[in-house]
Amino acid sequence: GIQVEQSPPDLILQEGANSTLRCNFSDSVNNLQWFHQNPWGQLINLFYIPSGTKQNGRLSATTVATERYSLLYISSSQTTDSGVYFCAVLGNQGGKLIFGQGTELSVKP
Amino acid sequence: NAGVMQNPRHLVRRRGQEARLRCSPMKGHSHVYWYRQLPEEGLKFMVYLQKENIIDESGMPKERFSAEFPKEGPSILRIQQVVRGDSAAYFCASSPTVEMSTEAFFGQGTRLTVV
Repeated sequence: GIQVEQSPPDLILQEGANSTLRCNFSDSVNNLQWFHQNPWGQLINLFYIPSGTKQNGRLSATTVATERYSLLYISSSQTTDSGVYFCAVLGNQGGKLIFGQGTELSVKP
Repeated sequence: NAGVMQNPRHLVRRRGQEARLRCSPMKGHSHVYWYRQLPEEGLKFMVYLQKENIIDESGMPKERFSAEFPKEGPSILRIQQVVRGDSAAYFCASSPTVEMSTEAFFGQGTRLTVV
């Protein structure tokens, strides 16, 4: 099945810094989503982005489907950005989303 | 337009008891997916159900775990004779189509603690 790898596994930032999170996948995808799991465990939808670029406030994401990766950019980070960021993909075989292991982000004041 | 609703949010069971987790999909969605998140890990697929049918249960443990999605009512994930290793967060998602090719939304999860 399709493999999803996220990097880095952990990231510590000072408030106000920018960061880039990466998601590599091993096969063509029909769906790619980024989620933020906050410290209370809730999964928040950030982007539905099987290809192209989207922006939402301080966050933006780019998926280059032909090169099998997606990037999540966080600018001017805030302490509320802390948590785990997951990338999840749906391969061409269909069915269900496959999650990466996540990037744990900690933003210090 | 309510999202995916899961209950209970927190569930504590003693070893050997049964746990029942409920998931009501978004309105108009007839496909439900269950995922498990063990502590410090990512989400792992368990089972995919359509109304009255199990489509893919490749991620379900072979024993003690079962799932259903009846014609009426929520989807149920049932864990019999729980053990400490079943302690985890269980998430449910729903979709209107046969696969998660459109944006998927997850419920808030049920956190099961086995004592």
